[in-house]
Amino acid sequence: GAGVSQSPRYKVAKRGQDVALRCDPISGHVSLFWYQQALGQGPEFLTYFQNEAQLDKSGLPSDRFFAERPEGSVSTLKIQRTQQEDSAVYLCASSLGPGNGNTIYFGEGSWLTVV
Amino acid sequence: AQSVTQLDSHVSVSEGTPVLLRCNYSSSYSPSLFWYVQHPNKGLQLLLKYTSAATLVKGINGFEAEFKKSETSFHLTKPSAHMSDAAEYFCVVTEVFNKFYFGSGTKLNVKP
Repeated sequence: GAGVSQSPRYKVAKRGQDVALRCDPISGHVSLFWYQQALGQGPEFLTYFQNEAQLDKSGLPSDRFFAERPEGSVSTLKIQRTQQEDSAVYLCASSLGPGNGNTIYFGEGSWLTVV
Repeated sequence: AQSVTQLDSHVSVSEGTPVLLRCNYSSSYSPSLFWYVQHPNKGLQLLLKYTSAATLVKGINGFEAEFKKSETSFHLTKPSAHMSDAAEYFCVVTEVFNKFYFGSGTKLNVKP
């Protein structure tokens, strides 16, 4: 597609439920990022992939958060046993590669509400 | 350590008047700096980026920003605001390409 596509756009989960958020990056983009944006705040880094390799997961807030990109294209962010503090917009972004000259393109986000 | 401070959480201007959104950064090395805009329920869109070339950077929709190393600033400006500019703006710094540090955002309101 023309841009980064995320699904679902909106998800309401009951506390304790597992959720999976999908990201389809721009075709051919090597680098893929996940960010978390809480209400009224700027996005915060979660994790980074280069192709299928997860090179940085330092931003994942707990071991309930897990991300994968098994074939180097589509990525899934999984949150186990969701808590109310997990309510946020989860943004996926991609770029051609890790060079500083490459623009990072963001998807419209998956809005997660935990009730 | 890297960080970004956006000095104003809200800015309100009249249509046709200049826009100034302030950003200060902290970085140990030579940073790359970006401004992104986010319209309600929309994704983040890149306005402009600085990556150690010219210090005055021109972006889309008439926006520009100037990198001032001595002041550690990267303020965003536009000569004449348009109603469609109303949105939230984020200043971003990165040293290592894979990790963006976002400011807390500035909401721009444009009055008719």
